[in-house]
Amino acid sequence: AQSVTQLGSHVSVSEGALVLLRCNYSSSVPPYLFWYVQYPNQGLQLLLKYTTGATLVKGINGFEAEFKKSETSFHLTKPSAHMSDAAEYFCAVSLPSSGYSTLTFGKGTMLLVSP
Amino acid sequence: NAGVTQTPKFQVLKTGQSMTLQCAQDMNHEYMSWYRQDPGMGLRLIHYSVGAGITDQGEVPNGYNVSRSTTEDFPLRLLSAAPSQTSVYFCASKGTGRHYGYTFGSGTRLTVV
Repeated sequence: AQSVTQLGSHVSVSEGALVLLRCNYSSSVPPYLFWYVQYPNQGLQLLLKYTTGATLVKGINGFEAEFKKSETSFHLTKPSAHMSDAAEYFCAVSLPSSGYSTLTFGKGTMLLVSP
Repeated sequence: NAGVTQTPKFQVLKTGQSMTLQCAQDMNHEYMSWYRQDPGMGLRLIHYSVGAGITDQGEVPNGYNVSRSTTEDFPLRLLSAAPSQTSVYFCASKGTGRHYGYTFGSGTRLTVV
């Protein structure tokens, strides 16, 4: 069963527009949640994470995400896209069934930013 | 502080050859894991370890072996490479407590011809 679903393999926005990348998880117990960004031919960079506490999490580069338990979602947003935001974004969960010791990734969403 | 170091960065193998992908961390993390990344598939867990001498299988373990003799090192072995193992491989280690989080290496791009 897919633990993490990212809606849309590609998302296109104009520079200055709102960025919304969707992530839903399936777990009866809330997992720990992560967003990573990967630029071409590079490794993974952590944008933000949620473990406990405040459900609105702020990350680097102006990104934020909100954990919504009732919707089993952890969508990533940024108010105004920059050209430099063009990259692939991965949502990941760490499940209690693994002792929070490994990550399960979504399939990724490629963000395209046009001038 | 080097974090997680993977070697080599690039490798081309012929079908049937064996090799070891190296992963070392200097953060004294107990948890380490290997992932492979394929287009459209995200990253998938191959094997992981919760401490020296303890390893377990992930989602896609077939064709790969691991061992964990020290806290620092977690090598991934391909015993007989197949074209289906062409991928980018990432090693990660996980901190605990207030240092909770995953640190990834820069990856090894492997091509099997």
